[in-house]
Amino acid sequence: AQSVAQPEDQVNVAEGNPLTVKCTYSVSGNPYLFWYVQYPNRGLQFLLKYITGDNLVKGSYGFEAEFNKSQTSFHLKKPSALVSDSALYFCAVRFAAGNKLTFGGGTRVLVKP
Amino acid sequence: DGGITQSPKYLFRKEGQNVTLSCEQNLNHDAMYWYRQDPGQGLRLIYYSQIVNDFQKGDIAEGYSVSREKKESFPLTVTSAQKNPTAFYLCASSSTGTAGAYGYTFGSGTRLTVV
Repeated sequence: AQSVAQPEDQVNVAEGNPLTVKCTYSVSGNPYLFWYVQYPNRGLQFLLKYITGDNLVKGSYGFEAEFNKSQTSFHLKKPSALVSDSALYFCAVRFAAGNKLTFGGGTRVLVKP
Repeated sequence: DGGITQSPKYLFRKEGQNVTLSCEQNLNHDAMYWYRQDPGQGLRLIYYSQIVNDFQKGDIAEGYSVSREKKESFPLTVTSAQKNPTAFYLCASSSTGTAGAYGYTFGSGTRLTVV
C-alpha cells in the first residue's frame, strides 16, 4: 500500500537559515510527489511537484525539493527562511495506477525572527 | 478566473441539525474530494467522486453524505449522526487520467462549529 510520512511534527528555524522539511514515501512503482503549504484558516496551496526528469524541482516562493529514489525521500528545502514561511506543510504522493493523493500528516514550520 | 469555491466560510450548527457545505469548481475537473482537518492535524478523507453520479467513501465517511449530480458541484452534508462535527472542512478537485501527474486544487475551507 502506498504511504507517505513526515517524521517531524514541527521544525523551528531562525530567519535567514536554511529550512528543510522531510518527507519519505513507500511505493512499489514510480511516484508522483507534491508539496503543499497551508496558512491558518486557509486551503492548501500547491508549491511544487516531481513527475519525472531532474531530481531537483524548483517551485513557488523560493522552495525546492530533491527526489531521491534510493532513499525514497522528497525533502522540501529553502536556502534562506523567512518569517512569512511559517505555516503547515504537507507532502503528498500519487501513483500512476490511481488518482487519489495520499497526504502526510503535516509539518508545522516556525521561523523565528 | 478558474477556481474552487467553498461556502460558507464559517458555519454554526446546533446539536441534532443537518448542515450542507457547498463546493463548486469551474476548472472542468472530473474528480472532487472532501477532507476534514482537526486543529493541528492532518487531512482525513471523507468522500470522493471521480465522475458525475458516482462517489466513494473515504476513511471517515460515517455521519456524512454527498451527492454529485453535476460535474461542477460536490456538496457535503454533515448529519446529526456525526457526533463530533466541529472541524475545518476542505474541498479539492483534480483532473483524472492515466498520467497521474495532476495535483489537487483546494478551496479555502469551511469552519464548522457546533453550538
